[in-house]
Amino acid sequence: DSGVTQTPKHLITATGQRVTLRCSPRSGDLSVYWYQQSLDQGLQFLIQYYNGEERAKGNILERFSAQQFPDLHSELNLSSLELGDSALYFCASSKQDSNNQPQHFGDGTRLSIL
Amino acid sequence: GESVGLHLPTLSVQEGDNSIINCAYSNSASDYFIWYKQESGKGPQFIIDIRSNMDKRQGQRVTVLLNKTVKHLSLQIAATQPGDSAVYFCAENLDDNFNKFYFGSGTKLNVKP
Repeated sequence: DSGVTQTPKHLITATGQRVTLRCSPRSGDLSVYWYQQSLDQGLQFLIQYYNGEERAKGNILERFSAQQFPDLHSELNLSSLELGDSALYFCASSKQDSNNQPQHFGDGTRLSIL
Repeated sequence: GESVGLHLPTLSVQEGDNSIINCAYSNSASDYFIWYKQESGKGPQFIIDIRSNMDKRQGQRVTVLLNKTVKHLSLQIAATQPGDSAVYFCAENLDDNFNKFYFGSGTKLNVKP
């Protein structure tokens, strides 16, 4: 158990809808990272937050947004969903946002778009 | 570099044998590397890390070797067990101000009893 908690485990919805994925980092970790893992793309970095502020952006679509709250949990919002958004979404956390810190992953949310 | 495509190579080994999983990374400026293990239905699990000022690091039953000259990383698992069956990813961290990792496409390890 990594200590990173993600909910829900599974989410099934339709095209055009909006969903929110939630992540609680490990106790003491201030930095949260979101990744997308799909069959044809592998593990892709989306966005990073540190202590409530956005720190780095990766391949995140404009339809997607995230935030980190004062209690350090984070939410990833996906809107105007398309079939291609079906994937596993992982959250990871680390103690700081400085370089060379191991990231510890949750077990992900499997999003299926029908 | 960034993971592109996912035609997972598969390594099949007999239980008790040693396994070697290889990874080529793309950026010579990367200075920190992690090996992750991902079992079906789970998130990537940290196994071992190594910094670029080292060429070898050992853990429990695992050893990571780093060859910066050819930008190559390997994970050696001693006395492989059925529980080691999983997909293994290497991740590289660029020498920048952000703790951003690029993941390899992964290798599937299949341990035969």
